[in-house]
Amino acid sequence: KQEVTQIPAALSVPEGENLVLNCSFTDSAIYNLQWFRQDPGKGLTSLLLIQSSQREQTSGRLNASLDKSSGRSTLYIAASQPGDSATYLCALDSGGGADGLTFGKGTHLIIQP
Amino acid sequence: DVKVTQSSRYLVKRTGEKVFLECVQDMDHENMFWYRQDPGLGLRLIYFSYDVKMKEKGDIPEGYSVSREKKERFSLILESASTNQTSMYLCASSVYGTGVQPQHFGDGTRLSIL
Repeated sequence: KQEVTQIPAALSVPEGENLVLNCSFTDSAIYNLQWFRQDPGKGLTSLLLIQSSQREQTSGRLNASLDKSSGRSTLYIAASQPGDSATYLCALDSGGGADGLTFGKGTHLIIQP
Repeated sequence: DVKVTQSSRYLVKRTGEKVFLECVQDMDHENMFWYRQDPGLGLRLIYFSYDVKMKEKGDIPEGYSVSREKKERFSLILESASTNQTSMYLCASSVYGTGVQPQHFGDGTRLSIL
């Protein structure tokens, strides 16, 4: 059974810093890995999806990498802003979209103004 | 943009009541999912459906059932609500198969069982 771990559980950094969030998983037989953002009391917003054949994806100040052989993914946030404060969740699709995602417990990020 | 709409943001019900949570998506997605989210436990899959009238159990189906009579609508039913079902419930949808499209989530329903 796939297990997903996110480290650190919480992170607080000053505005403007570059930062890295980590996600590790136990089973490399995946179709894709997704990074989501969740604001307090809200649903999930999809940030990036990396297919199993890809090594990284970029969107604006966000860059996500995937290393299946080592069971790791990182989310890099450049030039952090207070509006980036949220919980970031990593999720794996092991069934080709047919049977749900397996989520990590998230990293709660606070960007200090 | 894909829109997944959950009928209630907040809901308060009593123990033993039959509770319906409704979810509608507007992108003709085949797959629909119900998750619950609890502090310290993260998101866990309750049920999912890949077609009308089809349903599959997720990781924690006990105490729940689902209904999918139309492609755009997926309902989660708590047959006899209990206090341990107090939680945040999230609905999601996605295109069937391939694994190259993301899941899209609604804003969630925060359910309290008293």
